[in-house]
Amino acid sequence: EIVLTQSPGTLSLSPGEGATLSCRASQSVSNSYLAWYQQKPGQAPRVLIYGTSRRATGIPDRFSGSGSGTDFALTISRLEPEDSAVYYCQQYGNSPPLLTFGPGTKVDIK
Amino acid sequence: QVQLQQWGAGLLKPSETLSLTCGVYGVSLSGYYWSWIRQSPGTGLEWIGEINHSGITNYNPSLKSRVTISVDTSKNQFSLKLSSVTAADTAVYYCARAIVWARYFDLWGRGTLVTVSS
Repeated sequence: EIVLTQSPGTLSLSPGEGATLSCRASQSVSNSYLAWYQQKPGQAPRVLIYGTSRRATGIPDRFSGSGSGTDFALTISRLEPEDSAVYYCQQYGNSPPLLTFGPGTKVDIK
Repeated sequence: QVQLQQWGAGLLKPSETLSLTCGVYGVSLSGYYWSWIRQSPGTGLEWIGEINHSGITNYNPSLKSRVTISVDTSKNQFSLKLSSVTAADTAVYYCARAIVWARYFDLWGRGTLVTVSS
């Protein structure tokens, strides 16, 4: 089983600043199978990035994804108060088929 | 409008069977994988398993012995059964649609809180 570790656990930032969230895998992950989600309280997660770097429909270009192998990152530029949320990475491995999520990074914009 | 609507019992006693159904509206079951995911404060987001329109399933090995996911193509819905529940199964359960080639979730239900308590 591929285990995902995210850092930092919490980020407190001001509007207009940038943030880089890290997702590290215990084994190599195919670039096709790494995604990022945003979750706000009381809501289901919403996909931001899939295939490591492809933005989902309707996601502003302030959100970008990068990485390969075992190290991936989500970068958020020009933070806005509405970006306050928990961000999760997720991977899929196919031998055997298993999807796992990271523990999340909480981003607080004040 | 494409959406997932989920329903099922929200309060169970230990040893009972959790049963949830997810109705798929505005899109065919074909061409996607349909998953159940749960979220609790203690374990975060946990993928339970998935099914496609043909009934092919994949399960999380940690839950496989207790999980059954089924599909009803005539009603355009899929279901989850989790047997012998304990307090550790208390969580918000989501149904979600996965894009096959990249296995990410682009459509989610609103979630159902399931509490296991005696």
